[in-house]
Amino acid sequence: DVKVTQSSRYLVKRTGEKVFLECVQDMDHENMFWYRQDPGLGLRLIYFSYDVKMKEKGDIPEGYSVSREKKERFSLILESASTNQTSMYLCASSSSGNTIYFGEGSWLTVV
Amino acid sequence: RKEVEQDPGPFNVPEGATVAFNCTYSNSASQSFFWYRQDCRKEPKLLMSVYSSGNEDGRFTAQLNRASQYISLLIRDSKLSDSATYLCVVNILPSGSARQLTFGSGTQLTVLP
Repeated sequence: DVKVTQSSRYLVKRTGEKVFLECVQDMDHENMFWYRQDPGLGLRLIYFSYDVKMKEKGDIPEGYSVSREKKERFSLILESASTNQTSMYLCASSSSGNTIYFGEGSWLTVV
Repeated sequence: RKEVEQDPGPFNVPEGATVAFNCTYSNSASQSFFWYRQDCRKEPKLLMSVYSSGNEDGRFTAQLNRASQYISLLIRDSKLSDSATYLCVVNILPSGSARQLTFGSGTQLTVLP
């Protein structure tokens, strides 16, 4: 069964803190993604990676960076968290086809 | 104009009802289309792909109208368990790249007993 695991489900961080969100997939997928989801705005792509050490900016990369050192792991980094980054973050992975599989989500609150 | 637009609802329907959602897309070059289902505070999951000729999966029917640039989802004989948010997803590329997936904001459905 397909599995995308986001280790941190609920986080509360202070403004200015550095935040790491980790994601692991066990399907040997080439592509991995980070989205954020906000009410009324839908899912918005932050970054994606199509191979180890390869990354591309999505639609809203500002304030975020990513790391993919191993094929199965894709990390999202908030260098200096701000209140407008309070959101639900969804990691996803896919193979060459279109179907993407999502993790359960990480709910981040920045105070 | 948003690339993918959906009526946010909420749609409140009685059990057993038939309900339909539409989704419009702005890029005429869009090539592939999907409906995802998202339960409250859960991740989205693929419900069904949408094919040019229309397709059916049990109580669910999806249709594509390229001329008017919309896709639809019809749910017959609604069940309580159908209550969820339905996301319309459009890709401007054919199969092979998930990079260009664009998600609608979702339509919320509540099926009432």
